[in-house]
Amino acid sequence: KQEVTQIPAALSVPEGENLVLNCSFTDSAIYNLQWFRQDPGKGLTSLLLIQSSQREQTSGRLNASLDKSSGRSTLYIAASQPGDSATYLCAVQAGTALIFGKGTTLSVSS
Amino acid sequence: GAGVSQSPSNKVTEKGKDVELRCDPISGHTALYWYRQSLGQGLEFLIYFQGNSAPDKSGLPSDRFSAERTGGSVSTLTIQRTQQEDSAVYLCASSLVTGGGLYEQYFGPGTRLTVT
Repeated sequence: KQEVTQIPAALSVPEGENLVLNCSFTDSAIYNLQWFRQDPGKGLTSLLLIQSSQREQTSGRLNASLDKSSGRSTLYIAASQPGDSATYLCAVQAGTALIFGKGTTLSVSS
Repeated sequence: GAGVSQSPSNKVTEKGKDVELRCDPISGHTALYWYRQSLGQGLEFLIYFQGNSAPDKSGLPSDRFSAERTGGSVSTLTIQRTQQEDSAVYLCASSLVTGGGLYEQYFGPGTRLTVT
């Protein structure tokens, strides 16, 4: 059974820091991996999608990498801003549905 | 363009009542998913529709839960005889197609269900 784990569960950093969020999954037979952002009381916003054949994807200050063989992905956020404060969720798709980790709650202080 | 919409945004109901939650996917998206986000449980898959195919109901927690998708577009999730443990945020997502997992799933804002 596929399990997705995110470390750390919570992270507090001062504005301007570069940071890395980690995601691991137990079964490497995946179609893709997706990173989402969730603001309190809101739905999910898709940040990056990495296909199983890809190694990384970039969007603005965000860079996500995928090492399928080791079952790991990282989300790198450069020059963090207070507006980046949110919960970041990692999800893998191996069949019909996405399987989610429990998220990392990020707080960026000004 | 318009994203995934869900209604109501909040629903408070008494234990034992039936509730209906609605999802309107992005136009042209053939795949539609329902997920549930509970405190301490994270996000879990409930049910999936793809075009006119039979839905994948493997994530439904009990037979009190059912869903339908009319005309390949709008979907309704029904919970009968609600229990307190049904309290959660119910999220709907849609994507262009699900085969091979090549497309992103886009999520609606969710319906927060509280069973008192």
